[in-house]
Amino acid sequence: GAGVSQTPSNKVTEKGKYVELRCDPISGHTALYWYRQSLGQGPEFLIYFQGTGAADDSGLPNDRFFAVRPEGSVSTLKIQRTERGDSAVYLCASSFGRGLNTGELFFGEGSRLTVL
Amino acid sequence: AQRVTQPEKLLSVFKGAPVELKCNYSYSGSPELFWYVQYSRQRLQLLLRHISRESIKGFTADLNKGETSFHLKKPFAQEEDSAMYYCALAGANSKLTFGKGITLSVRP
Repeated sequence: GAGVSQTPSNKVTEKGKYVELRCDPISGHTALYWYRQSLGQGPEFLIYFQGTGAADDSGLPNDRFFAVRPEGSVSTLKIQRTERGDSAVYLCASSFGRGLNTGELFFGEGSRLTVL
Repeated sequence: AQRVTQPEKLLSVFKGAPVELKCNYSYSGSPELFWYVQYSRQRLQLLLRHISRESIKGFTADLNKGETSFHLKKPFAQEEDSAMYYCALAGANSKLTFGKGITLSVRP
């Protein structure tokens, strides 16, 4: 596709349930980022992949959050035992990675998660 | 640690007025600074970056290391500039940290 694709666009779940959010980056982009954006806030860094490995997962709030990128392309963000405070828009972005292109992230439209 | 501060949440101006969106940062190394923009019902996208020293849609931003600032400026605002603007900092680890953003509203 032409851009970063995220599914689902909307997810409503109940407290305590398990959720998976998927990100399909731009073809050829080696770096993939997950951010979380709550109402009235800027995007908050969660995790960054360079290829298949998590280069920096310092933003994951606790061990209920986990992300994978097994083949260096599609990534899945997994949230266990969801809590109401997890409600937010989860943004995925990809980039070419290091060098002068670092920092130009191409964002998806986001997955809006609502935990009831 | 890297931190980005955008002290104002909202700036409302009339068309043709000058605009300055403030951004201050905290980082111990040499940062790369960016401005991202999100227009209504569109994705977050890059507006400009300090290393390019370019003007995009009439906007410019100068990195002031002494004041640790990267304010975004435009001499004459247009209605189509109305959007959310986020200042962002990339450190050596390629992690991009965003500020909380500011809503720019340009009235006719």
